[in-house]
Amino acid sequence: NAGVTQTPKFQVLKTGQSMTLQCAQDMNHNSMYWYRQDPGMGLRLIYYSASEGTTDKGEVPNGYNVSRLNKREFSLRLESAAPSQTSVYFCASSDRAGGLDTQYFGPGTRLTVL
Amino acid sequence: AQSVTQLGSHVSVSEGALVLLRCNYSSSVPPYLFWYVQYPNQGLQLLLKYTSAATLVKGINGFEAEFKKSETSFHLTKPSAHMSDAAEYFCAVSSWNNAGNMLTFGGGTRLMVKP
Repeated sequence: NAGVTQTPKFQVLKTGQSMTLQCAQDMNHNSMYWYRQDPGMGLRLIYYSASEGTTDKGEVPNGYNVSRLNKREFSLRLESAAPSQTSVYFCASSDRAGGLDTQYFGPGTRLTVL
Repeated sequence: AQSVTQLGSHVSVSEGALVLLRCNYSSSVPPYLFWYVQYPNQGLQLLLKYTSAATLVKGINGFEAEFKKSETSFHLTKPSAHMSDAAEYFCAVSSWNNAGNMLTFGGGTRLMVKP
C-alpha cells in the first residue's frame, strides 16, 4: 500500500519554463489537494478536487492549473514558472467518511525556479 | 475565516523534558482541530485530531492535546521528549464547505531535542 505518491521528488526550472507535478493515491479517496509549503507560512492550499471531475481554487491558485485525471490521479501544472513559485509542493488525499476527513500526504516535490 | 497561530517557530527541549507546543485558533463555529508532524524530508502525518468529543485527545507517540474553548487553544504536549520527536509540528483547523474538508495550517513549530 503506497498511499500518496508524488513525482518528481526534486526539480529545478528556469523562469518561464513549464512543468507538471504528478500525484497518485491508492486509497480510493474522493478528495485530493495540492499545497505549497514555505518557511514560516505552514501549508497553503493551491487547488483541490472534491471528487473526480471537479476542481476548485484554494488560497493561492494564481500561476497554477490542475487536472483530476481520474479518481487516483491529480496533477499540478506550472505554465510559466516564476521564482516566487520556489517551494515544496505536497499532494494530499482524504475520504469523506464520517464528515471528518484526515488528510494523507505525499512525500513532497522540492521545486526551485531560477 | 478560520486562522491558526502557533507561538514559537522553534522550540528546544532536553531529552526527557516536557514538550509544550502552543496553538491558538479563531473560528466562528465549533472547529475540528488537528496536529500533524513532519519528519525531515517527509510529508505530513496525522498526530491527533479533535472531533468535538473528549476535550483531551490522545495521539500517537505519547502526544496529547487539550481543547480549551474559552482560550481558543489546542496546545500539544508530551511528558517526556525523545530524540526521535525532533520534527516540525503543524496545528490545523478544519472548515467545511460544499466541496469538502479544508484545512488551514499554522506556520509550524520546529521542535529540537537536545541530548
